[in-house]
Amino acid sequence: QKEVEQNSGPLSVPEGAIASLNCTYSDRGSQSFFWYRQYSGKSPELIMSIYSNGDKEDGRFTAQLNKASQYVSLLIRDSQPSDSATYLCAVRISQGNTPLVFGKGTRLSVIA
Amino acid sequence: GAVVSQHPSWVICKSGTSVKIECRSLDFQATTMFWYRQFPKQSLMLMATSNEGSKATYEQGVEKDKFLINHASLTLSTLTVTSAHPEDSSFYICSAGPGIQYFGAGTRLSVL
Repeated sequence: QKEVEQNSGPLSVPEGAIASLNCTYSDRGSQSFFWYRQYSGKSPELIMSIYSNGDKEDGRFTAQLNKASQYVSLLIRDSQPSDSATYLCAVRISQGNTPLVFGKGTRLSVIA
Repeated sequence: GAVVSQHPSWVICKSGTSVKIECRSLDFQATTMFWYRQFPKQSLMLMATSNEGSKATYEQGVEKDKFLINHASLTLSTLTVTSAHPEDSSFYICSAGPGIQYFGAGTRLSVL
């Protein structure tokens, strides 16, 4: 069974703080890793993709991947109330256009 | 990013009727599209993989005769919920993409 695990939260952080979201996956051969943001009642939107070990930064967002530990994280710097949403970690197990395996999501609440 | 269009965004129907949902890739050709279902406060569950010109691949537990998928062109996949019942009420979302998966806006189905 291919699994992606996330802490469901809610994770509450004050405005301006760093929010840290974590995700672990079970399949060591997983190829690609994604973070999506989903507002209530809306479909997911892509925030970051990461494919190799290390950090990848895009604006206020940094994705971190450690394949040895089967761990991927998302850091949000200078958190804003508009960042309040559910963050979904998704993993592509194999190469090619195969479906993503999603975690259950972490609900983030940024308090003004 | 790539654009995936989904229609309708919301549909209400009577029990026993059929509902068709369309998913279009607007700026790329999609040989493969994915259909997900999401119940309130739960994560996305993959229903099926839609393959252009061939039969869809359904996930375990998804009734292929109830959820008919047609992927007749490189830009359009349709999901038809046949003889809908209240328990089919959910948020249905399609995704597609050249590598990275982008999501349609989703269709909220309410069966009375």
